[in-house]
Amino acid sequence: DQQVKQNSPSLSVQEGRISILNCDYTNSMFDYFLWYKKYPAEGPTFLISISSIKDKNEDGRFTVFLNKSAKHLSLHIVPSQPGDSAVYFCAASDAGWGKLQFGAGTQVVVTP
Amino acid sequence: NAGVTQTPKFRILKIGQSMTLQCTQDMNHNYMYWYRQDPGMGLKLIYYSVGAGITDKGEVPNGYNVSRSTTEDFPLRLELAAPSQTSVYFCASSFWTGENEQFFGPGTRLTVL
Repeated sequence: DQQVKQNSPSLSVQEGRISILNCDYTNSMFDYFLWYKKYPAEGPTFLISISSIKDKNEDGRFTVFLNKSAKHLSLHIVPSQPGDSAVYFCAASDAGWGKLQFGAGTQVVVTP
Repeated sequence: NAGVTQTPKFRILKIGQSMTLQCTQDMNHNYMYWYRQDPGMGLKLIYYSVGAGITDKGEVPNGYNVSRSTTEDFPLRLELAAPSQTSVYFCASSFWTGENEQFFGPGTRLTVL
């Protein structure tokens, strides 16, 4: 039962433009959402997170938006840079247990 | 700090063999986790631990065992390896749960033939 879904397996964006990655979830008990970035042959690295009591969180070029009523979150990367080319995973946890449920990931390619 | 380290990086096993994947963290984190990632899929939780001596099953625990005798180490044991266990295995740790990021190791790529 996939409770976190990333329906776009890939995204190609030009350098300097905005990248928008989407994530949907089904479990209304999720109260904490995270985005991880993964390069080939490396482990995922934490990028940005948001609590369910907020609807936006910003960190430099990265902004995460949460729409609880739609059970949807998105990650905006502005401006996109070649080093942003990686797989991005959306993850969610509930009730403070720390156990993360991951989406399948979106491969982002930033072209010159 | 080395963070989370995993050994080996790669391993090929024959069906029915067993092995232990090692995981060590030097951040004094209480919580540790084992995930597997199959091609084109997200990470799935195998086992986790909230402290030395305490472990519990995750989403996909069948065919695996864990132990946590120290804060630093969280080995994952595969008994009677099967082709379905071919995957990339990631160990992670976090200081506490809730709004706290997990730090991941570089992964172990395991192939069972």
